[in-house]
Amino acid sequence: GAVVSQHPSRVICKSGTSVKIECRSLDFQATTMFWYRQFPKKSLMLMATSNEGSKATYEQGVEKDKFLINHASLTLSTLTVTSAHPEDSSFYICSAMGRYEQYFGPGTRLTVT
Amino acid sequence: AQSVSQHNHHVILSEAASLELGCNYSYGGTVNLFWYVQYPGQHLQLLLKYFSGDPLVKGIKGFEAEFIKSKFSFNLRKPSVQWSDTAEYFCAVTSYSGGGADGLTFGKGTHLIIQP
Repeated sequence: GAVVSQHPSRVICKSGTSVKIECRSLDFQATTMFWYRQFPKKSLMLMATSNEGSKATYEQGVEKDKFLINHASLTLSTLTVTSAHPEDSSFYICSAMGRYEQYFGPGTRLTVT
Repeated sequence: AQSVSQHNHHVILSEAASLELGCNYSYGGTVNLFWYVQYPGQHLQLLLKYFSGDPLVKGIKGFEAEFIKSKFSFNLRKPSVQWSDTAEYFCAVTSYSGGGADGLTFGKGTHLIIQP
């Protein structure tokens, strides 16, 4: 099956710094990728839709200036959490759209101290 | 806006018991429906999906689900569970957009524990 990777798997950063998370589709091209956030004991929440070569579409309530998304190629989308704060600590999961379904990455655990 | 409700947050069963996990969605238009499974420490994996056609869909590992449009439901079933089915199960929905890719709206998940 299709494989999606994320890097890093875990990151700890200090409050006020920025963190970049990469999402790659390893064996297929994806014009559309999605970024989700998963809170403890809660479901995944769609943050934004990332389209290759165009601006991302953000869900209501998600700050686009805080969560910068770049989809520069058909196999790579990045999420940059700018000026991170402790409340940004979470599990971030990306998915890449294949022909008929989304394939999910393993997630990135972000801890902001 | 879409929403998904999963009725059971924690379910504990013995091996060989039958399983049914409830899922209801809220959306007035045409939807695509999914069940995902997340085994401990692993990625989300697709169990099965419904786009159109036969409302009874069969997925991997012996799972099936039935789409009942009048009840806005898409319950997951398995006749006989195994210890290896211990995992988190998520129901998800996306609105049909004629081939376009839409993000998923997830339910809160059901933590299933199978006791040997």
